[in-house]
Amino acid sequence: RKEVEQDPGPFNVPEGATVAFNCTYSNSASQSFFWYRQDCRKEPKLLMSVYSSGNEDGRFTAQLNRASQYISLLIRDSKLSDSATYLCVVNPRGPQGSSNTGKLIFGQGTTLQVKP
Amino acid sequence: ETGVTQTPRHLVMGMTNKKSLKCEQHLGHNAMYWYKQSAKKPLELMFVYSLEERVENNSVPSRFSPECPNSSHLFLHLHTLQPEDSALYLCASSQFPRTGNNEQFFGPGTRLTVL
Repeated sequence: RKEVEQDPGPFNVPEGATVAFNCTYSNSASQSFFWYRQDCRKEPKLLMSVYSSGNEDGRFTAQLNRASQYISLLIRDSKLSDSATYLCVVNPRGPQGSSNTGKLIFGQGTTLQVKP
Repeated sequence: ETGVTQTPRHLVMGMTNKKSLKCEQHLGHNAMYWYKQSAKKPLELMFVYSLEERVENNSVPSRFSPECPNSSHLFLHLHTLQPEDSALYLCASSQFPRTGNNEQFFGPGTRLTVL
């Protein structure tokens, strides 16, 4: 099983639509969670951290379900500029007794294409 | 944005060449990372340096040799690469472990082609 799994898409949606991405992770002791955005041929950029209580940043809402090892990202009122690949990212806990090196595990990404 | 810079941006090299990739972070971070991104594959972590000490080596072949002379600079020395090493090489930095925050910030990457 992959450490972080995402539906690769692509998701093709019209402007103004609401779209949701899901992600599952295998390490139940994972410590922190993020969504990154990557535009074509560019570097990943942090979109938002994901907190246990859920968090919102404008049109973007992130949710974490530790019991199900599941993370989601909701985008409301999609814009053309939201077209990109969205990466689910997890900081796993290392083997027992090892220190956390801050490493991040990236999912393969979900591609979103917003159409006019 | 100039928080994390990488040079060169593009590199074409033969299998017998030796080259180095350079990364510099201007964010006052303590940890730096090398990732490899191949087409249609997730980012793969290669190396982690924390407080200038290598703390993780993700089973990377010895033809890749990292160097971290100080907390702001990170190098990846390349020698006798293979065509399958062609990829985008990304550098990142974070405040970890000074704080528990391991949000990572990426440079623009070096697109490497091995002939």
